[in-house]
Amino acid sequence: QLQLQESGPGLVKPSETLSLTCTVSGGSIRSSIYYWGWIRQPPGKGLEWIGSLYYSGSTYYNPSLKSRVTISVDTSKNQFSLKLSSVTAADTAVYYCARLEIRGGRVGAFDIWGQGTMVTVSS
Amino acid sequence: DIQMTQSPSSLSASVGDRVTITCQASQDISNFLNWYQQKPGKGPKLLIYDASNLEIGVPSRFSGSGSGTDFTFSINNLQPEDIATYYCQHYDNLPYTFGQGTKLEIK
Repeated sequence: QLQLQESGPGLVKPSETLSLTCTVSGGSIRSSIYYWGWIRQPPGKGLEWIGSLYYSGSTYYNPSLKSRVTISVDTSKNQFSLKLSSVTAADTAVYYCARLEIRGGRVGAFDIWGQGTMVTVSS
Repeated sequence: DIQMTQSPSSLSASVGDRVTITCQASQDISNFLNWYQQKPGKGPKLLIYDASNLEIGVPSRFSGSGSGTDFTFSINNLQPEDIATYYCQHYDNLPYTFGQGTKLEIK
């Protein structure tokens, strides 16, 4: 059974770069029918899509974060990563990685999620 | 960006009740809509995709309907384990956006 696990620092200083990794186990990140994505949820608030990528390296970002976000893949480690630069307190959130399945030619259902990791931006 | 407006924001119902949540998109999204359940401290779980298709393993008391801009999510015969927050999400185009959530409580 495929599982996703986020990892990375739980505390990041303002203006620095947030870096998280999602490790995929129980399946290959190199599958042709899946994309992989990051979503975040500020405390007590709703969900925000950050961006997604295909194992080939193609990436898609939320325009609201695009200037600060980089998502990359390491197929040799079956991992994908998120970097968010110039963070502020507004970036404090639980960060989730998730799988998106291509269904009917469309990509958009997050069918498997990690448990999430809390990242706090504070000095 | 397409705005997704859910209502109500919170809901209290009794075990055995039928519960309905609505989600309205700011523009036509066809049937490109999903529904998720999120329990405290957990990642969301996909329940319904393409507006009305039940994800494998999800109990049949959950259902969805709608197309265009107006969508409905229902739970028949509400169970105690259904306490959660429910979100809609469109995927008509990028960026994907979510509704603000509906917190369901048991009376």
